[in-house]
Amino acid sequence: QVQLVQSGAEVKKPGASVKVSCKASGYTFNTYPLHWVRQAPGQRLEWMGWIHPGFGSTKYSQKFQGRVLITRDTSATIVYMELSGLRSEDTAIYFCVRSGSLLYYIDSWGQGTLVTVSS
Amino acid sequence: DIQMTQSPSSLSASVGDRVTITCRASQGINNALAWYQQQPGKAPKLLVFAASRLESGVPSRFSGSGSETDYTLTISSLQPEDFATYYCQQYYNTPPLTFGGGTKVEVK
Repeated sequence: QVQLVQSGAEVKKPGASVKVSCKASGYTFNTYPLHWVRQAPGQRLEWMGWIHPGFGSTKYSQKFQGRVLITRDTSATIVYMELSGLRSEDTAIYFCVRSGSLLYYIDSWGQGTLVTVSS
Repeated sequence: DIQMTQSPSSLSASVGDRVTITCRASQGINNALAWYQQQPGKAPKLLVFAASRLESGVPSRFSGSGSETDYTLTISSLQPEDFATYYCQQYYNTPPLTFGGGTKVEVK
């Protein structure tokens, strides 16, 4: 079955960067887009960007453009999300999620990674 | 970007109640709507896609309906495991994927 296993919780200082990984298994890695969605305390789910592992193409939310970088390692079937210039408002749970290749509803979720930004 | 507005933001209900949650898009989304359930401390789980199609394994007490800009998720007879937060998401005009603000279903 599809599994998305994310790296563990992180604590970072304001201004720092964080890199979260997502190991995909149980399906053909190159076929489906993988996205990053975050959930800040008391806030709605927020889409950050995606990567198509097969092509390496990416698309980012305008809100995070210039601060987020999504990459992949196809041989290891891992996707990475790096967020720079961290501020306290970036404290959130970050989810790696898979959507369909044509219809972008989310059919699989990682377990989430808590990133805490605190001085 | 398409904005998604969910209502109510929370509701109180009892086991056995019929519960209805509404999601309104800022423009027509041609049934490109999904519903998710999130239990505390867990990742969301897909319930419905294409506005009315039940994901495999989801109990039949859940149903989705709607068209154009207005959509509903109905739980016909609320069960103890259904107390959770529910989110809608449009995928008609992406990116970005956009979500509703959530509806928390609590015990009355």
